[in-house]
Amino acid sequence: NAGVMQNPRHLVRRRGQEARLRCSPMKGHSHVYWYRQLPEEGLKFMVYLQKENIIDESGMPKERFSAEFPKEGPSILRIQQVVRGDSAAYFCASSPQVTEAFFGQGTRLTVV
Amino acid sequence: AQRVTQPEKLLSVFKGAPVELKCNYSYSGSPELFWYVQYSRQRLQLLLRHISRESIKGFTADLNKGETSFHLKKPFAQEEDSAMYYCALSGHNAGNMLTFGGGTRLMVKP
Repeated sequence: NAGVMQNPRHLVRRRGQEARLRCSPMKGHSHVYWYRQLPEEGLKFMVYLQKENIIDESGMPKERFSAEFPKEGPSILRIQQVVRGDSAAYFCASSPQVTEAFFGQGTRLTVV
Repeated sequence: AQRVTQPEKLLSVFKGAPVELKCNYSYSGSPELFWYVQYSRQRLQLLLRHISRESIKGFTADLNKGETSFHLKKPFAQEEDSAMYYCALSGHNAGNMLTFGGGTRLMVKP
């Protein structure tokens, strides 16, 4: 089991472009979480998904951000019209049930 | 709603000193509590969970339901313990969602 895979590891976008962050959970895991970590800050919950369902998106900004976890393929966190304040590390975690969550290496988004 | 609070953003101690990283939670049920650690430039990894009652790298944490706390302790801090520590809660009420505290950065000085 290769662990939670996130790609790309580093992503540079100009203001106004779209950013797509991918997360492949561990095999057999049906729960996916996305977190954002701003520089010198802690983890902030964004969204919790199960296959084809958004369970909790209370941490997602109301505009420009969306997430999905389709039946097939990775979970995608999509940021439209990025701004400088979106620059952060975005972490994905997966878990099978109520057990430990396994984290990916994160995607560092830089908006220039 | 479930919530995890880590009141200290930064905790600085000298090597060999005792360490206690505080974690308080609110949850209307029986939660599962975890501590995660993030060393510099590495991914988060599980340090310990309350149900296993293990001691990992000298760290222990006891769930106190009366005080709704799950403080992380180590009697003698080491420099390699310097990292970001996150307390997390998982509850059946919220579809097993993991909620993290804001994190505490532990700095162990030589």
